[in-house]
Amino acid sequence: DSGVTQTPKHLITATGQRVTLRCSPRSGDLSVYWYQQSLDQGLQFLIQYYNGEERAKGNILERFSAQQFPDLHSELNLSSLELGDSALYFCASSPQGGGSPLHFGNGTRLTVT
Amino acid sequence: AQSVAQPEDQVNVAEGNPLTVKCTYSVSGNPYLFWYVQYPNRGLQFLLKYITGDNLVKGSYGFEAEFNKSQTSFHLKKPSALVSDSALYFCAVREDTGFQKLVFGTGTRLLVSP
Repeated sequence: DSGVTQTPKHLITATGQRVTLRCSPRSGDLSVYWYQQSLDQGLQFLIQYYNGEERAKGNILERFSAQQFPDLHSELNLSSLELGDSALYFCASSPQGGGSPLHFGNGTRLTVT
Repeated sequence: AQSVAQPEDQVNVAEGNPLTVKCTYSVSGNPYLFWYVQYPNRGLQFLLKYITGDNLVKGSYGFEAEFNKSQTSFHLKKPSALVSDSALYFCAVREDTGFQKLVFGTGTRLLVSP
């Protein structure tokens, strides 16, 4: 068990809808990362937060947004969903950047129909 | 910008034989290098990392990796493969400056046959 909790585990929704994915980092970890894993795109970095502030941004669509709250949990909001957004979304946490390894949750599997 | 290449989509090895999963990287500065393993329907599990120091790093489950700066490689190795090692392996790199993102390779599927 990595200590990173993601909810829900599975999510099925229709095109055009909006969903929120939630992540609770390991106790003491200040950094939260979001990744998208799909069969054709591999593991794509979306965004990183450190102690509530955005620190790095990757290939995150404008329809997607995220935030990290004062209690350090994070939410990833996906809106105007398209079929191509179907993927496994991972949250990871670490104490800080640099040489600290990331610890991953088990992911949220999103299916857009 | 940093990048990682895993040239093999799949590696096949017989149980008891040594295994190598290849990884090369590209960064502007000094690299932090990581290996992760993913089992079906699970998140990525950290195996080992290279930050500085000895070029041979040891990690979980008997895995080790060799950092080669001149060849910009960080190959994952294990002396004797187990069937239970069959999984998807990811190499990742991050630059050692500021809040740099951790970039993953495309993954290599390891299949260990009995």
